[in-house]
Formats: sequence, structure tokens, C-alpha cells
Amino acid sequence: SQELEQSPQSLIVQEGKNLTINCTSSKTLYGLYWYKQKYGEGLIFLMMLQKGGEEKSHEKITAKLDEKKQQSSLHITASQPSHAGIYLCGAPDNTDKLIFGTGTRLQVFP
Amino acid sequence: NAGVTQTPKFQVLKTGQSMTLQCAQDMNHEYMSWYRQDPGMGLRLIHYSVGAGITDQGEVPNGYNVSRSTTEDFPLRLLSAAPSQTSVYFCASSSGKQPQHFGDGTRLSIL
Repeated sequence: SQELEQSPQSLIVQEGKNLTINCTSSKTLYGLYWYKQKYGEGLIFLMMLQKGGEEKSHEKITAKLDEKKQQSSLHITASQPSHAGIYLCGAPDNTDKLIFGTGTRLQVFP
Repeated sequence: NAGVTQTPKFQVLKTGQSMTLQCAQDMNHEYMSWYRQDPGMGLRLIHYSVGAGITDQGEVPNGYNVSRSTTEDFPLRLLSAAPSQTSVYFCASSSGKQPQHFGDGTRLSIL
């Protein structure tokens, strides 16, 4: 079965710093979703990547899909306390069911 | 537009009790699913449905039942609660290849 591994598991950064979260798949990626979760809340959709080499940005968050490496990265520029939360990557498996990585917990301190 | 609504938000049960977690969506999505989220394990798929009257098992279906009598509702039933089912449960819905919309979750503790 396909697995998604996220790294790092936890990240603590100072406000204003840049950071990158990686999501690596054990099998070929046919698309990838990034979600953010705040404590006590549901998952909020951030971005969807569908093609190898695709890159999308929203405000200060950029996500890329490297199909050859079976990997996606999420980059936050000039982090803010509002970026704190758990970031999860998700991908459809070979039966189109969505599987998720274990998440990366991000803390941003002033 | 309410999106995906889950009830209750919190629940404490005793071992052996049964209960139903409710999930409703008002977006006319054909696909609905239930996940559980445990520390260090991400979200794991319990059951899913591709349309009214159709359900199938996910990765961790044991101990749970589902039904899909309408497009809007997708309840999850715990037949005989066990401490191992203590978790946060999320319901999600989507249409086609579009991203899933998630509810706010139900935090379930089983003593």
C-alpha cells in the first residue's frame, strides 16, 4: 500500500523565518493535496497539485510537485504566528482513495 | 452554506456502549468518507461512500458501520465501543477530483 512520509515531524521557527515541509510518497504520485489543521478544528484545504513540476502559490505559501522524486514540498516565506498549525499532505492511491501523511506540526514564535 | 457538519463535537462513552456519529453535507457531493486521527498516525480512512446506497471499507473499518441512505448524510456507528476507538473522527465530502471538505471533527473518549 502507498504511504506518505512527512518531514520534519515538528518545526519551531522564529517569526519572519522561511521554512520547508516535505512529503515523500512510497509510490508514484498522481496528484497531491496540502491541508492545514489548527488545534480543535478540521482540515482546511490549501493547494492541489496535479502535474509533475507544477508549482502553486497562495499568499506566502508555495507548493511544488516533483513527480520523479515522488515528492512535494511546501515552503513558507517570512513565517507569521498565523501559519502555526499542523500541515498534512494527502494523495490519491491507486483506487482513488485519499491517503494522508502523518503531519508536520509548526510553531512560530515572535 | 454550512459545508460539512459533524455532531456531536465531544463525546465520552463507556466500553461496550454504542453510538452514532452524525455527518451531513449540503454541497450535493457524491463522495463522503470517515477518517480517524490519532497522534503520530495521520488520518486513516475508516469507510467511504461514492453515492447514496453505496459504501465500502477503508483502511481501518473494524468496529464501525456506515450507511448512506441519502446524498446528504453519512452516519458512522460504533457498535460496541472499545478504548482503542478513542480518537478524533473527521467526516469529509467531495465531488469528482475536487479537494475534500472536512468537518470540524468529533472528539471521542472511551473509558
